[in-house]
Amino acid sequence: EVQLVESGGGLVQPGGSLRLSCAASGFTFSTYWMTWVRQAPGKGLEWVASIKQDGSEEYYVDSVKGRFTVSRDNAKNSLYLQMNGLRDEDTAVYYCARGGKQQLECWGQGTLVTVSS
Amino acid sequence: DIVLTQTPLSSPVTLGQPASISCRSTQSLVHSDGNTYLSWLQQRPGQPPRLLIYYISNRFSGVPDRFSGSGAGTDFTLKISRVEAEDVGVYYCMQATQFPLTFGGGTKVEIK
Repeated sequence: EVQLVESGGGLVQPGGSLRLSCAASGFTFSTYWMTWVRQAPGKGLEWVASIKQDGSEEYYVDSVKGRFTVSRDNAKNSLYLQMNGLRDEDTAVYYCARGGKQQLECWGQGTLVTVSS
Repeated sequence: DIVLTQTPLSSPVTLGQPASISCRSTQSLVHSDGNTYLSWLQQRPGQPPRLLIYYISNRFSGVPDRFSGSGAGTDFTLKISRVEAEDVGVYYCMQATQFPLTFGGGTKVEIK
């Protein structure tokens, strides 16, 4: 069974940093693009970042470029999102999803990031 | 960036009746490889999104056949042939033809 489990969310002050993790199981992680999508409270879905199978390509939504970094460790079946310079508007549930070049096939349960002083 | 516009915003439906959601793109979603990377997702209350349809009209594993997708180019439709109680939630179209990936604003399906 495919499983994606996010962790690392929490409350952080504006300007602070967090590192989200996504542990994958039930499939060959190294053969899939992986993606982060967020959802602000009561709002729709917003794509954040995607990374290629071998980590050689990364793409970001404009609003996080220069602040967020997506990475992966295929040996550990894990996806990461390093978030620096956090702003109020980054408050959201962050989902990791399998896929990114065609469709997002499987989603984790999400982890909540709250940016507030 | 490609903008996806969904209509209606809300769709009150009687149980057993059909529902239809439209998704219109600001540019063609046909990729240079010939495929169209338009998918539909369902998000039930309190749950993460779930893939229903990919490549316009292909049902993902485990998706009931009352869900169907159609369309081409810039205009796409998701249809539920007979709405059941478990179909309540928000439906999103999504394009992966080019980065940035984008989602429609969502359509809320609720029971009358």
